[in-house]
Amino acid sequence: AQSVTQLGSHVSVSEGALVLLRCNYSSSVPPYLFWYVQYPNQGLQLLLKYTSAATLVKGINGFEAEFKKSETSFHLTKPSAHMSDAAEYFCAVSVIQGGKLIFGQGTELSVKP
Amino acid sequence: NAGVTQTPKFQVLKTGQSMTLQCAQDMNHNSMYWYRQDPGMGLRLIYYSASEGTTDKGEVPNGYNVSRLNKREFSLRLESAAPSQTSVYFCASSVGGVSETQYFGPGTRLLVL
Repeated sequence: AQSVTQLGSHVSVSEGALVLLRCNYSSSVPPYLFWYVQYPNQGLQLLLKYTSAATLVKGINGFEAEFKKSETSFHLTKPSAHMSDAAEYFCAVSVIQGGKLIFGQGTELSVKP
Repeated sequence: NAGVTQTPKFQVLKTGQSMTLQCAQDMNHNSMYWYRQDPGMGLRLIYYSASEGTTDKGEVPNGYNVSRLNKREFSLRLESAAPSQTSVYFCASSVGGVSETQYFGPGTRLLVL
């Protein structure tokens, strides 16, 4: 069965600092992996996704993630945090049947001025 | 092009009352999903509809029913609301398939007293 674990329910960084949000997955088949962002009182929107085309995936707003099969990881990074990046971030793995998503618990990112 | 719309935005129910959450998409998507979001638990799939005319249970279906009314609309019904169903409910849609992006509505915040 597929599962996703996000390390750290809350991460705080200073503006301009590196953002690193951790995601590890478990899957018995090659996974499709996603990062979604949720701004306060809004729905989720896609940041980026891995679909086996390239291990380094670039997304919107300067975010990127690297798929590492040997580490079963798909960590999200951004070189320089901006105040507008403050939000909750969800990692998810897609289940073959019906395209269902299994979500991690979420990581809330705070950005200090 | 409104994307995914949900009604109502907020609702307060008393234990035992029933209600239906409405969801519609205008992207001609095949698949639709209902999730609930609870603090520290990420999003969990309640029901999904891989295509018009089909529905299947997700991770947490107990206490809920769904109807795929047509290709555009997918409703979620609580027959007898319980305090444990206090949550934020999100509807999503996708073209269908394991690697496809899901597009989320703005959510319905439900409080059951």
